[in-house]
Formats: sequence, C-alpha cells, structure tokens
Amino acid sequence: QKEVEQNSGPLSVPEGAIASLNCTYSDRGSQSFFWYRQYSGKSPELIMFIYSNGDKEDGRFTAQLNKASQYVSLLIRDSQPSDSATYLCAAAGGATNKLIFGTGTLLAVQP
Amino acid sequence: EPEVTQTPSHQVTQMGQEVILRCVPISNHLYFYWYRQILGQKVEFLVSFYNNEISEKSEIFDDQFSVERPDGSNFTLKIRSTKLEDSAMYFCASSSGASGQETQYFGPGTRLLVL
Repeated sequence: QKEVEQNSGPLSVPEGAIASLNCTYSDRGSQSFFWYRQYSGKSPELIMFIYSNGDKEDGRFTAQLNKASQYVSLLIRDSQPSDSATYLCAAAGGATNKLIFGTGTLLAVQP
Repeated sequence: EPEVTQTPSHQVTQMGQEVILRCVPISNHLYFYWYRQILGQKVEFLVSFYNNEISEKSEIFDDQFSVERPDGSNFTLKIRSTKLEDSAMYFCASSSGASGQETQYFGPGTRLLVL
C-alpha cells in the first residue's frame, strides 16, 4: 500500500515564527512531491512542488526533499495568521501521475 | 488566470439515486482526475482520464462509478446508485501532462450528501 504520512497536528506557532511541516512516503517510485494548502471546506490549493533532492525556495516557502530517507518537508518563514490551514503533502507517481495524499497537518498561527 | 470549475457546488440526493457531477478542466490540459474527500479524512484518488479513456482507477472506483468527456470541455463523474458512504467532497483536477513535473489544479469541489 503506497502511503504518505503526516502528523495531523495541530502545529501551533506564533506569528512571525518558522513553521516546519513534515511528511514521509513509502513508495520509492514516487517522482515528485506537492504541498497543497486546504482551508476548511475548500479545495486543495498548490503551494509548491519539488522533484529533486535538496531545497527549493519560493518566497516565504521552502520545500526540502530527501529521497534516501523518503522525507519531504515544508518550511514557512514569517508565519502569518492567514497561513492557518491544513497543509497536505502529496506524492505523484505512476503512469498517470496520480496524487497520493497524506492526512494533512493543521497549522495554527497565533497572532 | 485559467481555473477548473465544477457544478453543482452542493448536491443532496436520496440513496439509490443517480448523480452526475460536472467539471470543466483548464482548456489546454490533457489529463483529468477525480478525487474525493470524506469529511475529516484524506483526499483519495478515484480515477484518471486521458485521450478519452480511463488510464487508471482506484479500488474505490467500482462499477457504480463512470466518467465521461461528452464534449470538448466537460468532464463528468456519474454515480449510478448512490450509497450513504458516497457522501463526500468530490474534486476534479486537471494537468497539462503526466511526467511527474506538472501540477494538478483542483476545482472548488462538489459537496455530495446522500440521505
């Protein structure tokens, strides 16, 4: 069973701090990894994706991938209350690039 | 900015009834997907569709489910005889490719409630 694991949280950080979200995956054949943000009752909204080992930065967000450890992370710098949401990690793979999602980590940024 | 659209936003139906959920993918995208999310649970893959045929389906996607691209813009998910456990949020997604480096863009979802 191909799985993506995340700590469900909640992860509570003060405004302005760095939030660190983690994810592990079981399928070594997964090719790329996506971080989506989901507000309650809404659809997943892409934050960023990564497919090479190392770090990838986009504004306040940095994704990190370690294929040897099968580990993906997302760092959010200068966290804002508007960042409060559930963060979904997803692994893409197979011929159709289907996404396998984790359960998501609830992030709460305290003003 | 192009976006995936879905209709209806909410659907209430009686158990055993057929429902059709509609999606308009982004216009130049070639790969289409349906996912569902039962309340409080993870987003689950249902089916992928490419070149007018199903390219992959999950164990959830049994004979009660079908997908169709009836014209050049719409992509539909039909549930023939709904069950209580089909109550969920259904998301359509589309992407320009499937090499592993293309993003899937999600529609706003249809909330289905089966009574």
